[in-house]
Parts: sequence; C-alpha cells; structure tokens
Amino acid sequence: QKEVEQDPGPLSVPEGAIVSLNCTYSNSAFQYFMWYRQYSRKGPELLMYTYSSGNKEDGRFTAQVDKSSKYISLFIRDSQPSDSATYLCAMSAGGGGNKLTFGTGTQLKVEL
Amino acid sequence: GAVVSQHPSWVICKSGTSVKIECRSLDFQATTMFWYRQFPKQSLMLMATSNEGSKATYEQGVEKDKFLINHASLTLSTLTVTSAHPEDSSFYICSARDVGWNQETQYFGPGTRLLVL
Repeated sequence: QKEVEQDPGPLSVPEGAIVSLNCTYSNSAFQYFMWYRQYSRKGPELLMYTYSSGNKEDGRFTAQVDKSSKYISLFIRDSQPSDSATYLCAMSAGGGGNKLTFGTGTQLKVEL
Repeated sequence: GAVVSQHPSWVICKSGTSVKIECRSLDFQATTMFWYRQFPKQSLMLMATSNEGSKATYEQGVEKDKFLINHASLTLSTLTVTSAHPEDSSFYICSARDVGWNQETQYFGPGTRLLVL
C-alpha cells in the first residue's frame, strides 16, 4: 500500500466548475500538507500549505485537511482553462522544507 | 517567490557517458536541496537530500555511486549521473529549502529531461 493515494484522473470539467481533488494517506506521522501544480514538462509550483485540520482559503483555492480520516482535499472555484495541469498532493512529517512524499498527481483539464 | 533554476533543461547522451545537472537557488540561500526523479505519468520520487558542506543522504534503492551529488555552496547543488544507461532516462527535478524567514517551503526547479540513447 502506498503511503499517499491520489486518483490519477484524468479529470475533465467545464470552465467555471468547482473542482475537487483528493488524497488519502496512511502514515500518521504526516503533519504538514501541500498542494502543488505542475504544468507539462515543468517543475511543481506550490499552491497551498497547511498543517492543521480544517480549511485554508487562498483566492479561488481552498485546502481542506481531516487528520482524523487521513484525508485532504483541494477545491478550485470558478475553474479556468489556465488551471489545466497536474495537481500533486505532498506530505511531510517535519514541515514543508523537509522530505516530501507525493501522491501520483491528478491530471485536470478545464474546457471552454 | 523564490526562484530555482536548473541547467541544462534537457540533455541527450550516449549510453556509458556521464551527465551533470546543476541546481541553483537564484535569490536565496539553501543549506538543503533535494533531488527527485519523475517517470512519465508518475509522481516525484525523492532520490537524495543534499546538504551544503556534507555528504548527501540517499533514499533506499538509490545508488550513491551512480548518482553523485555535490552541494558545494549555499546556492548550488549538482547531480552527476555516472555511466548513464537508457533506464536512467527520466525527468530530474531539484528543490531548495529556503533558509530565510520561511523555512517551511521548498521551491522547485523547472526540471531536466534526460534521454540516454
């Protein structure tokens, strides 16, 4: 069993839709949770960083963490074609600047 | 945000040759850099942690004699793939941990695509 599970997609939605991306994990030591966006043939870009259960909002993005269920989510409101990318969840026991364990990534396509 | 660069962005080499990839933090100092490998449609897998002035720490299953890492300064880490073979073809990505006020963040480079013929 992988430490981090993520549905690889692909996920196709119409422009303006609300997108929900999810990851589950099995390692209770994970306390820090991140979402990265990766465009094709590029390095990952940090979108959201959180370390507590609950919601964190940044513009059109909301990160949700439920440590009791070992489940994290990323919501994208009013999705745009420019949001088309692969979204990777990542987790760490020691903070975002330490060893990260990534999910496999969900490929998202937002269509006009 | 902080910027991390990699050079080259892509490289094609013959089997048996060595390839060096550079990772630079352009506007901040990084005592720690990480090297990842990503195969098509797969996630990033950590290969090693590179600490300035000391030996790198390799993940289980990664051959340290094949993937040489040097972190000689606070802004530069290099990964050398020695005697490369076709199975080493992959997307190599580095990240750097910011030692400034925000120590909890890794900034990723744009990646280096390696093709070994």
